[in-house]
Amino acid sequence: DTGVSQDPRHKITKRGQNVTFRCDPISEHNRLYWYRQTLGQGPEFLTYFQNEAQLEKSRLLSDRFSAERPKGSFSTLEIQRTEQGDSAMYLCASRPPAATNEQFFGPGTRLTVL
Amino acid sequence: KQEVTQIPAALSVPEGENLVLNCSFTDSAIYNLQWFRQDPGKGLTSLLLIQSSQREQTSGRLNASLDKSSGRSTLYIAASQPGDSATYLCAVRGTGFQKLVFGTGTRLLVSP
Repeated sequence: DTGVSQDPRHKITKRGQNVTFRCDPISEHNRLYWYRQTLGQGPEFLTYFQNEAQLEKSRLLSDRFSAERPKGSFSTLEIQRTEQGDSAMYLCASRPPAATNEQFFGPGTRLTVL
Repeated sequence: KQEVTQIPAALSVPEGENLVLNCSFTDSAIYNLQWFRQDPGKGLTSLLLIQSSQREQTSGRLNASLDKSSGRSTLYIAASQPGDSATYLCAVRGTGFQKLVFGTGTRLLVSP
């Protein structure tokens, strides 16, 4: 197992377009998290899944954002009608069920909205 | 609302020095605290995890301490190397929460 993977690594889009990012967690990690990080800041929590259930959402996750984890494995984060303020690094993390509380992060997807 | 502060924001040291990075948090009701390393444009690499019941954790040249009652943690790096240059982030998980709350990081530069 090579860790959490994210795709794409970089995305450049024009304002108003929709974008979708994918996260593949570490095998058998049933907890999955999305965070957003802007330049010079620490990551900010967006949403959390336990298996396929989305159990927690931040106020940062406006109506234009939607996340899914259909079979409790990979997850997607979609942003509709992108705005320049959405430009950021989108990070995914996963955690195993019980043995450890450590979150493992992926390499991130860098979004630039022109 | 939990707030996490890291001091200093940036630090530049010559190779070989021992150094301490500081992290403070406002709500002491935490489940655990995690230290991460982030290289420019990259994701986060977990360095150390301290449970709320623990006082410290060690991994190689790294030692992290936790004083939950005073809302502070320190990351001690011994014999710093140029390869240690990165941004170091601390994050706390509050009791009853799943999310991590991050500080803004300390940007470390170790010169040869």
